[in-house]
Amino acid sequence: AQSVTQLGSHVSVSEGALVLLRCNYSSSVPPYLFWYVQYPNQGLQLLLKYTTGATLVKGINGFEAEFKKSETSFHLTKPSAHMSDAAEYFCAVSDPGGNEKLTFGTGTRLTIIP
Amino acid sequence: SAVISQKPSRDICQRGTSLTIQCQVDSQVTMMFWYRQQPGQSLTLIATANQGSEATYESGFVIDKFPISRPNLTFSTLTVSNMSPEDSSIYLCSVEELALPFFGQGTRLTVV
Repeated sequence: AQSVTQLGSHVSVSEGALVLLRCNYSSSVPPYLFWYVQYPNQGLQLLLKYTTGATLVKGINGFEAEFKKSETSFHLTKPSAHMSDAAEYFCAVSDPGGNEKLTFGTGTRLTIIP
Repeated sequence: SAVISQKPSRDICQRGTSLTIQCQVDSQVTMMFWYRQQPGQSLTLIATANQGSEATYESGFVIDKFPISRPNLTFSTLTVSNMSPEDSSIYLCSVEELALPFFGQGTRLTVV
C-alpha cells in the first residue's frame, strides 16, 4: 500500500523567503507524484506532477519539486514566497501500474509573513 | 484541462436526509473519482465510478451510504444517505485527462 507523509502541518515563511514543503512517500514501486494547492473555500489546483524522466519538475506559480528516489522524497520549493502563496498544499501519489486514484498526504498550511 | 462542474456548491441539510451531488465534465472520461475532505483533514477516496459498471468502493465506504451513478461518460452523481453531522465534509469529484488528475470545486456539506 502506498502512503504519503508531509512533515509540518503548518509552515510559516516571510515574504520573499524560500518556501520548502516536505513530502515523503512509501511505495513498493516508484509512483507518480503530485502537488496540489487548495485556496480557502476552493477546490484543488494541480501545481505539478512527476512521472518519469527529469527528476526536477517545474510547475505553475514558480513552484518546482525534485524527485529523489534514494530519499523517497518529493519536496516542493519556491525561491521567493509571495503573499498569494498562502494556502493549503497537498502531496499525493498514484500507482503507475494501476488506476489513477490518488493517495494524499495530510496537507501543509503555508502562511506568509509580511 | 478538463472543466468539472459540481452541483450544489454547498448545502446545509437536516440529519436523516439524503443529498445527491452532481458532477459534470466537459469531455468524455473513462473513470471518475469521488473524494471526501473532512474538516481540517486531507482527502480520502470514497469510490471509483466507471461507466456501465458498479462503482468500486474503498475500505470504510459502502454503497448503501454512498450510492453512485455513472449513466454516461461525462456525468456522475454521489448520494450521501441518511446523513449525520459526521458527514459534514467537502465532497470532490475528480477525473483524469491527459494523465493529469483534475478536481471539481467541491460540494461543501453541513449536516445539522
